[in-house]
Amino acid sequence: GQNIDQPTEMTATEGAIVQINCTYQTSGFNGLFWYQQHAGEAPTFLSYNVLDGLEEKGRFSSFLSRSKGYSYLLLKELQMKDSASYLCAVKDSNYQLIWGAGTKLIIKP
Amino acid sequence: DGGITQSPKYLFRKEGQNVTLSCEQNLNHDAMYWYRQDPGQGLRLIYYSQIVNDFQKGDIAEGYSVSREKKESFPLTVTSAQKNPTAFYLCASSSLTAETEKLFFGSGTQLSVL
Repeated sequence: GQNIDQPTEMTATEGAIVQINCTYQTSGFNGLFWYQQHAGEAPTFLSYNVLDGLEEKGRFSSFLSRSKGYSYLLLKELQMKDSASYLCAVKDSNYQLIWGAGTKLIIKP
Repeated sequence: DGGITQSPKYLFRKEGQNVTLSCEQNLNHDAMYWYRQDPGQGLRLIYYSQIVNDFQKGDIAEGYSVSREKKESFPLTVTSAQKNPTAFYLCASSSLTAETEKLFFGSGTQLSVL
């Protein structure tokens, strides 16, 4: 079967750096997405990786290793507003999105 | 402003009742999707449509129905056959020609059973 694994919950301190990992086992690979979702709200797009390496976008960066079936989202200079769930999703060989359950990130002052 | 609008924000369903969730987009996107979100689980695809008057079942289509009569609209009906409808429902759209085909989501509808 197809599977996306993420930690259920993480805690970090305001101003610090946090890395949220995502491992996947899917039938084929056509890209990996990270979305941010505040409680009770819509997910919003953060990043997209299809080739190995690091994509940097301001305070957020996303890394992909296709050979290891592994990605991470790196958040720097954490702010209280970064408290949210972070969803990892992989597009499989049929171009269907497979979603992880999400990682709830709690930021403490 | 372009976007995707879901209504209502909260909906209550009585036993044996069908309810319809609205989803409208003005992004000129060809593809539209309905997802169900339950606590502790990933998003699950109910139905999707890539063109007007055509739609495909997702992973959990049983107990749901959709229509796509206009490009802008993709309403979801939760029928009485859906025995566990309580969930957060998300509508999304995407461009099939954009490089990433990233999804744009509506603000969601929380459906509860009375």
